Amino acid sequence: DIQMTQSPSSLSASVGDRVTITCQASQDITNYLSWYQQKPGKAPKLLIYDVSILETGVPARFSGSGSGTHFTFTINNLQPEDIATYYCQQYDDLPITFGQGTRLEIK
Amino acid sequence: EVQLVESGGGLVQPGGSLRLSCAASGFNFSSYNMNWVRQAPGKGLEWVSYISSTSGTIYYADSLKGRFTISRDNAKNSLYLQMSSLRAEDTAVYYCARDATVVIGATDFDFWGQGTLVTVSS
Repeated sequence: DIQMTQSPSSLSASVGDRVTITCQASQDITNYLSWYQQKPGKAPKLLIYDVSILETGVPARFSGSGSGTHFTFTINNLQPEDIATYYCQQYDDLPITFGQGTRLEIK
Repeated sequence: EVQLVESGGGLVQPGGSLRLSCAASGFNFSSYNMNWVRQAPGKGLEWVSYISSTSGTIYYADSLKGRFTISRDNAKNSLYLQMSSLRAEDTAVYYCARDATVVIGATDFDFWGQGTLVTVSS
């Protein structure tokens, strides 16, 4: 199975900050990586797929980059509504695997 | 509007069985591959199972060891997960999730249901 190591596990930042989360795959997953946002008590929501493509309706302050085994998710100009847990997911091969999540809090 | 609505969760004793359902609407269900993903309380996301649009291809997480069966009824726009020999570690919110693409195999998930909670406890 492909292991996805996400860091940090939690993060506290201020409104307006730039926030970065990283995800490392245990093997090359080319560009088969997505990012999800999950708010408390809600289902995950797809934000980014194929490393860097924003899902329709997702604000442009969210972005993704990387290739191979190392990937980055960035939120520019952090907003209060961005409080959530964020997960990376690889879909290069089955079983599909997720990172352990990054819990984002606002200072 | 795409909607996925899970049902069938509840409290079940260890060793028991439960059948989850996911009712789909707002899209051509028979054209999309579907998945079940679970999330134990306070934990991360775990992919459980996949079924192709025609039910011709099915995959399971190895950890399930044959205890779960995924199925679908395209005429009823419904996805199912039959769970048996349930264990405490199966306690989780179970989500149905739609594949974002129509290719067979792994992909990302563009729509998720709200989830249904399964609690395995005596």
